[in-house]
Amino acid sequence: AQSVSQHNHHVILSEAASLELGCNYSYGGTVNLFWYVQYPGQHLQLLLKYFSGDPLVKGIKGFEAEFIKSKFSFNLRKPSVQWSDTAEYFCAVYRGGGGFKTIFGAGTRLFVKA
Amino acid sequence: NAGVTQTPKFQVLKTGQSMTLQCAQDMNHEYMSWYRQDPGMGLRLIHYSVGAGITDQGEVPNGYNVSRSTTEDFPLRLLSAAPSQTSVYFCASSYRTGDEQFFGPGTRLTVL
Repeated sequence: AQSVSQHNHHVILSEAASLELGCNYSYGGTVNLFWYVQYPGQHLQLLLKYFSGDPLVKGIKGFEAEFIKSKFSFNLRKPSVQWSDTAEYFCAVYRGGGGFKTIFGAGTRLFVKA
Repeated sequence: NAGVTQTPKFQVLKTGQSMTLQCAQDMNHEYMSWYRQDPGMGLRLIHYSVGAGITDQGEVPNGYNVSRSTTEDFPLRLLSAAPSQTSVYFCASSYRTGDEQFFGPGTRLTVL
């Protein structure tokens, strides 16, 4: 069965620190990859997505992610976090070629100390 | 555009009761889905639909039914509520299967 793994469940950083959140998936075929963010009290919104092309994807609010096909990974990065980045981050994978399902990881709660 | 709307926002049920969570979108999206969000488990797919009249099971379909009679609406029915169904439920839609999903505000359900 397809699975999506996010390695860090809770991350605490100080403002201006760099961020990297890991995401790995278990399916080897064609995939669409997403990172969503859920700010406190709000619903999920898209940070960035990768379908094909340049494996380094830039999203909103200074976030970027790199698709490494050989490692089945799609890690999220930000060079300098802000207090307003405090949120829960979800990696999601859509498996092409059948199934029509987008599967989410368990999420990573990020707390940024001011 | 209202986007994806869900009602109710909050609901408390007793074990064994049934209810329907409503979801509607006004973006003419083909794909709609229901997820439940539980602490430490992320979002788990309950059911999804790739178009009117077509639905299929996700990861955790037991205890839930769906139907898609129109493009706009995708209600989720709890047949006989159980405490294990206490969760936050999100409806989402996308223009096509595999695209970015737009999420509703969620329904917080408590089953006593």
